[in-house]
Amino acid sequence: GAGVSQSPRYKVAKRGQDVALRCDPISGHVSLFWYQQALGQGPEFLTYFQNEAQLDKSGLPSDRFFAERPEGSVSTLKIQRTQQEDSAVYLCASSSSSRGTGELFFGEGSRLTVL
Amino acid sequence: AQKVTQAQTEISVVEKEDVTLDCVYETRDTTYYLFWYKQPPSGELVFLIRRNSFDEQNEISGRYSWNFQKSTSSFNFTITASQVVDSAVYFCALLMNTGFQKLVFGTGTRLLVSP
Repeated sequence: GAGVSQSPRYKVAKRGQDVALRCDPISGHVSLFWYQQALGQGPEFLTYFQNEAQLDKSGLPSDRFFAERPEGSVSTLKIQRTQQEDSAVYLCASSSSSRGTGELFFGEGSRLTVL
Repeated sequence: AQKVTQAQTEISVVEKEDVTLDCVYETRDTTYYLFWYKQPPSGELVFLIRRNSFDEQNEISGRYSWNFQKSTSSFNFTITASQVVDSAVYFCALLMNTGFQKLVFGTGTRLLVSP
């Protein structure tokens, strides 16, 4: 597709369940980012990939959060043993710039609700 | 510490009014980038503008204009002759030139333009 695609758009999980969120970046984009956006807040950085290398994961809130991009294209954000505070929209963004200073293209996000 | 403050939580205007969205940032870096993004109800963040810290020229793009003032650490956004389609949440963001890219977002300003 032409833009960043995320799936699922909506996910409801029971507390303690594991979830996986998928991001298909724009083809050929080197940089891929995950952000977490709580209700009424601005997005907060989670992690950054340059191709398949995860260069920064300092924003991941706990070791229950794990992200991968094994072939330098599609990325998956996995959350284990979900908690209510994990409820948020998870945004994926990609950029053709290896330094990320160029325009970021965001997906529509995956809204996670943990009951 | 890097921080972006958008003091206006919500602004309501009537169509054709001009409106200015404020953004104040904090950073110790001498090189940085500032961004504005628009988030319509569909959820994706739409890039509007990027400025680097060495370019203080104001910019105009159609009905949009931006006023960057390093002396006051502000990067304000004005919409002239607002339209209903401008209704969205607008985020100001700061990108540090640290090698690994993290956007620091403000909490956003919700703009409601009524007919």
